[in-house]
Amino acid sequence: LAKTTQPISMDSYEGQEVNITCSHNNIATNDYITWYQQFPSQGPRFIIQGYKTKVTNEVASLFIPADRKSSTLSLPRVSLSDTAVYYCLVAPLSSARQLTFGSGTQLTVLP
Amino acid sequence: ETGVTQSPTHLIKTRGQQVTLRCSSQSGHNTVSWYQQALGQGPQFIFQYYREEENGRGNFPPRFSGLQFPNYSSELNVNALELDDSALYLCASSLGGGQSSYNEQFFGPGTRLTVL
Repeated sequence: LAKTTQPISMDSYEGQEVNITCSHNNIATNDYITWYQQFPSQGPRFIIQGYKTKVTNEVASLFIPADRKSSTLSLPRVSLSDTAVYYCLVAPLSSARQLTFGSGTQLTVLP
Repeated sequence: ETGVTQSPTHLIKTRGQQVTLRCSSQSGHNTVSWYQQALGQGPQFIFQYYREEENGRGNFPPRFSGLQFPNYSSELNVNALELDDSALYLCASSLGGGQSSYNEQFFGPGTRLTVL
């Protein structure tokens, strides 16, 4: 399973765009990149998943360069309620038997 | 559509005891995964069940065992509890098989286990 590296913590202010970058130098050809969000005392919640280029949904955008060795989760106009831990995961799509979570990035949104 | 539920919410046990945690998967999901999350850490994969069969196991000792029932609900059993077993235990369900994505898993709120 490809190892991921992401910042331990980030601070932002309400209304700003936040970009969290994840490095995954050993990503395999059939690996997909998935991001989860976790609030205290709750289970993680799926945010977005992609393979290459750009993926956008109602919550976030995911940017993946051509070499796929990194990815950036972009949260537009964050609010206080976006304060959470964000996890970047890399795994095959249909044959994955487990999700490997790192320590994640603690995002704190300040007023 | 009912989400993933877990019981109990909190549990306190003493070292050496045994515990059973329960999980009801989201409607229509046939795959259940269990994770252990220690304070300040990301969730660690324990094992996964797909259609009542174990479908993968993480680096956990045999005293961690599981079961999945015909309705796809699941149990996690831990024998001979140790202090380090204190953690949040998360259950996640997904729709496995074919081209479905194992990566989009739906997590329950977890069971907070404290071992004294």
